[in-house]
Amino acid sequence: DSGVTQTPKHLITATGQRVTLRCSPRSGDLSVYWYQQSLDQGLQFLIQYYNGEERAKGNILERFSAQQFPDLHSELNLSSLELGDSALYFCASSERPTDPRTQYFGPGTRLLVL
Amino acid sequence: AQSVTQLDSQVPVFEEAPVELRCNYSSSVSVYLFWYVQYPNQGLQLLLKYLSGSTLVKGINGFEAEFNKSQTSFHLRKPSVHISDTAEYFCAVSEGQAGTALIFGKGTTLSVSS
Repeated sequence: DSGVTQTPKHLITATGQRVTLRCSPRSGDLSVYWYQQSLDQGLQFLIQYYNGEERAKGNILERFSAQQFPDLHSELNLSSLELGDSALYFCASSERPTDPRTQYFGPGTRLLVL
Repeated sequence: AQSVTQLDSQVPVFEEAPVELRCNYSSSVSVYLFWYVQYPNQGLQLLLKYLSGSTLVKGINGFEAEFNKSQTSFHLRKPSVHISDTAEYFCAVSEGQAGTALIFGKGTTLSVSS
């Protein structure tokens, strides 16, 4: 158990809909990262938040957005969903002072868009 | 730009045989290297990491890896594999300051048979 939690575990929805994925980082970690894992693209970095502020963006679509709340949990919002958005979405956390570089991953949310 | 190449997409091996999963990276600055394992229908688990110091790093489940700066490699090895090691293995790199997103290779599927 990495200490990173993600909900829900599975999500099935229809094209055009909007969903919210939730992540709670390990206690003491200030950074949250979101990654997408798909068969054709592999594991790709989407976006990072550090202590409530957006720090870096990767290959994140404009239809996707995220935020990190004062208690450091994060939400990834996916809107106007398309079939191609079906993937496994991972959250990772890092940056406690004793180990700022190592990222620990949650179990993921498997999204299926029908 | 940094990139990670995992040279073998699939590695079949018999139980108790040694295995090496190859990983090469490209980067012009200091790098930090990681191996993660993903068991079927599960999240990413950290196997081992190289941040600094000794170039031979030991991880969980009997795995080890060697950082070779001149060859820009970080190959993963295990002297004797078990059926339970069947999984997908990902090599990842980050560079620069702490809190940088990981760049992943495309993964190597290790299949251990009896």
